[in-house]
Amino acid sequence: DQQVKQNSPSLSVQEGRISILNCDYTNSMFDYFLWYKKYPAEGPTFLISISSIKDKNEDGRFTVFLNKSAKHLSLHIVPSQPGDSAVYFCAAKGLAGSARQLTFGSGTQLTVLP
Amino acid sequence: DTEVTQTPKHLVMGMTNKKSLKCEQHMGHRAMYWYKQKAKKPPELMFVYSYEKLSINESVPSRFSPECPNSSLLNLHLHALQPEDSALYLCASSQDIDRVNQPQHFGDGTRLSIL
Repeated sequence: DQQVKQNSPSLSVQEGRISILNCDYTNSMFDYFLWYKKYPAEGPTFLISISSIKDKNEDGRFTVFLNKSAKHLSLHIVPSQPGDSAVYFCAAKGLAGSARQLTFGSGTQLTVLP
Repeated sequence: DTEVTQTPKHLVMGMTNKKSLKCEQHMGHRAMYWYKQKAKKPPELMFVYSYEKLSINESVPSRFSPECPNSSLLNLHLHALQPEDSALYLCASSQDIDRVNQPQHFGDGTRLSIL
């Protein structure tokens, strides 16, 4: 039972345009959401996070949006750069029960074309 | 640069060998984790240590044996592994397992191949 889902295995975007990566979750106990970026032969790198008390968090070119009622979050990258090409994992956690450990989505491979 | 250091980066071993993976962090974090990641899959949690004590074992086979000698170090001892254990093994740390709003920071992993 996948509690965190990334339904798009891959996404291609032109350099300079916006990249939008999506993530859905089912466990209502989740209240902290993260995005990690992973290059081949490296570990996941923490990118940005959002607490459930917010609906938006911005850090430079990266913005994460959270829609709690829809159990949906998205990562916007503007403008996209070729160096952003990587696998992006959405992850979630909460304080109690099955939500206590970090749960990852299956990842989306982003390719930014020059 | 990653603040979680894992050694070795690559390891090839036979099914009868004994080897250890090492992980070190100097961020003062009190929670440390082992994950296993297969190709094109998300990381899967194996073990969690909190304040140097084993807190969670996700039903991992006994051929994997974790050890936390001190708050900065985490080892994973390997013995009699199977070919299906070939994967990327990731170590991570966070401030505290009970703090929700804190990210885990990952090392670059050890790529393990079992012959």
